[in-house]
Amino acid sequence: GAVVSQHPSRVICKSGTSVKIECRSLDFQATTMFWYRQFPKQSLMLMATSNEGSKATYEQGVEKDKFLINHASLTLSTLTVTSAHPEDSSFYICSAPDANSGNTIYFGEGSWLTVV
Amino acid sequence: GENVEQHPSTLSVQEGDSAVIKCTYSDSASNYFPWYKQELGKGPQLIIDIRSNVGEKKDQRIAVTLNKTAKHFSLHITETQPEDSAVYFCAGGFGGAGSYQLTFGKGTKLSVIP
Repeated sequence: GAVVSQHPSRVICKSGTSVKIECRSLDFQATTMFWYRQFPKQSLMLMATSNEGSKATYEQGVEKDKFLINHASLTLSTLTVTSAHPEDSSFYICSAPDANSGNTIYFGEGSWLTVV
Repeated sequence: GENVEQHPSTLSVQEGDSAVIKCTYSDSASNYFPWYKQELGKGPQLIIDIRSNVGEKKDQRIAVTLNKTAKHFSLHITETQPEDSAVYFCAGGFGGAGSYQLTFGKGTKLSVIP
């Protein structure tokens, strides 16, 4: 199947700082990418839909000023957690639909964020 | 919006036996139903998907069935192996222009006992 790559896989940052997570579609182009957050032993919670060349669409309750999303190209979306706090510590996962396979949705490997 | 219910939440089977996980969805407009396997600390891995124009799809030991009238779909794993142990998520979505937005079930933790 198609490959979606996330970087970094693990990151530790100090409270108050910002951290950027990248999501890349390696062998296909994606005008849309999705960002999820997952707490331990829970399902995936959609945070926002990233749209290439336009603003992201955020789910209700997700602070757009805290979770900045940029989809600058057809293969890259970034999630920046600004002014991070310990409660932002979580597993963040992105996904993207591959139009070459009928928009089958593939996920990245996920990024563990720990805010200390 | 779409609501996806998944059962059971945990499932233990003996190696070699079959495992069945069931999901129901609420939005009759949903037309895409993927299943993902998630191992601890990793992202979800697509294992099989089905679109609403077919009732069954099979890939080696894995099969998915879809009943559009009843709005439920199921994952069947035959001849289970210890490496099948993981959390499995079903999802449902409607394919609009360019993409599907998925709603996920709460997951099933499958344990295959050697």
